[in-house]
Amino acid sequence: DGGITQSPKYLFRKEGQNVTLSCEQNLNHDAMYWYRQDPGQGLRLIYYSQIVNDFQKGDIAEGYSVSREKKESFPLTVTSAQKNPTAFYLCASKLREGGYEQYFGPGTRLTVT
Amino acid sequence: QQQVKQSPQSLIVQKGGISIINCAYENTAFDYFPWYQQFPGKGPALLIAIRPDVSEKKEGRFTISFNKSAKQFSLHIMDSQPGDSATYFCAASQYTGTASKLTFGTGTRLQVTL
Repeated sequence: DGGITQSPKYLFRKEGQNVTLSCEQNLNHDAMYWYRQDPGQGLRLIYYSQIVNDFQKGDIAEGYSVSREKKESFPLTVTSAQKNPTAFYLCASKLREGGYEQYFGPGTRLTVT
Repeated sequence: QQQVKQSPQSLIVQKGGISIINCAYENTAFDYFPWYQQFPGKGPALLIAIRPDVSEKKEGRFTISFNKSAKQFSLHIMDSQPGDSATYFCAASQYTGTASKLTFGTGTRLQVTL
């Protein structure tokens, strides 16, 4: 099955701890994206990457970090500097050349207490 | 700064009725307008999309109407079914020279009643 996998589905952390969310795709897509979803606010772009070893900040990058060492993988680290980390995190991917469609993973719900 | 405004926030429609969700934008550089459907606890799924050179696109019971001069677009769900109950997001894409980025509306929670 081709698609995007995010793990785990639910994640719980104590305040002050860094946590890394996994995103893997086997669609051979070049571009990958991380979004944050909060109730009533839609999806907001955190980071995106067009190619391996390159990534750019989105609209709300503060308190987050990413890496893109492999085409298939784009992990997101939520650091202790993120003031309100509790949210639903969504990973997406698309072909870099041609096509506009972004395909989303199932999401990870992070709760920080 | 909300670049894509979506309304209504919630919508209740009877089975068989027409659901209409509206979006408006300001940035004329947007060049692709998708609609996503999201069920609780799941990731959004692309439903239908339109380019600004087309005024209407229909796929089954779902239709996008696009008004370039008014900078508005809407989703119509004909013969709405209980299985359509979900949250719908409009979005707009802009190519920045290095990447295309989506800006999302705030979502509409649709409930289709029997």
